[in-house]
Amino acid sequence: QLQLQESGPGLVKPSETLSLTCTVSGGSISSSSYYWGWIRQPPGKGLEWIGSIYYSGSTYYNPSLKSRVTISVDTSKNQFSLKLSSVTAADTAVYYCARLGRPAVTTIDYWGQGTLVTVSS
Amino acid sequence: QSALTQPASVSGSPGQSITISCTGTSSDVGGYNYVSWYQQHPGKAPKLMIYEVSNRPSGVPDRFSGSKSGNTASLTISGLQAEDEADYYCSSYTSSSTLGVVFGGGTKLTVL
Repeated sequence: QLQLQESGPGLVKPSETLSLTCTVSGGSISSSSYYWGWIRQPPGKGLEWIGSIYYSGSTYYNPSLKSRVTISVDTSKNQFSLKLSSVTAADTAVYYCARLGRPAVTTIDYWGQGTLVTVSS
Repeated sequence: QSALTQPASVSGSPGQSITISCTGTSSDVGGYNYVSWYQQHPGKAPKLMIYEVSNRPSGVPDRFSGSKSGNTASLTISGLQAEDEADYYCSSYTSSSTLGVVFGGGTKLTVL
């Protein structure tokens, strides 16, 4: 059974960089059939796609966040990571890592449990 | 990329049927058969209920069905059960960015 687990600081100061890692177990991140991505959900609000990555390293970002987002993959560790720079209170959210289908990237069939990241001084 | 439009809330009694709409544009819902629906219970991660407009993943009851007409997709739940009470989100591929994904704002389903 595939499992995804987010890890990283739960509290980040304004203007600093948010960094999260997703560890994939029970399957290979190097599968040619899937993308891997990050989705966030501010408290009490809806879902927002942040970006996706293929095991080869190709990345795809939400245009509204593109200037601040970097997603990377480490196939040797079966992990992928998110960095979001210059954070503000508006970036406070539950951050989910997930597996996205090919070619239908909207088929998100496995999700991590989510991790709350609060931006506050 | 703008969020897809969903009603904020819908409600129904046990055993009844309800439909949740998801309206986009020709750049997303109307242009591609890549619409999915997710169920989210409080404090939990979303769960895939429908993919590629009308397909159900293994394990999802056939009470859940999806369809699309023009720029609007729909999720229908028949034979409502108490455990169906949750938030529901639609998503679509969007051509506004390469391999982009856009979500709806979410609909709160209340089972009366």
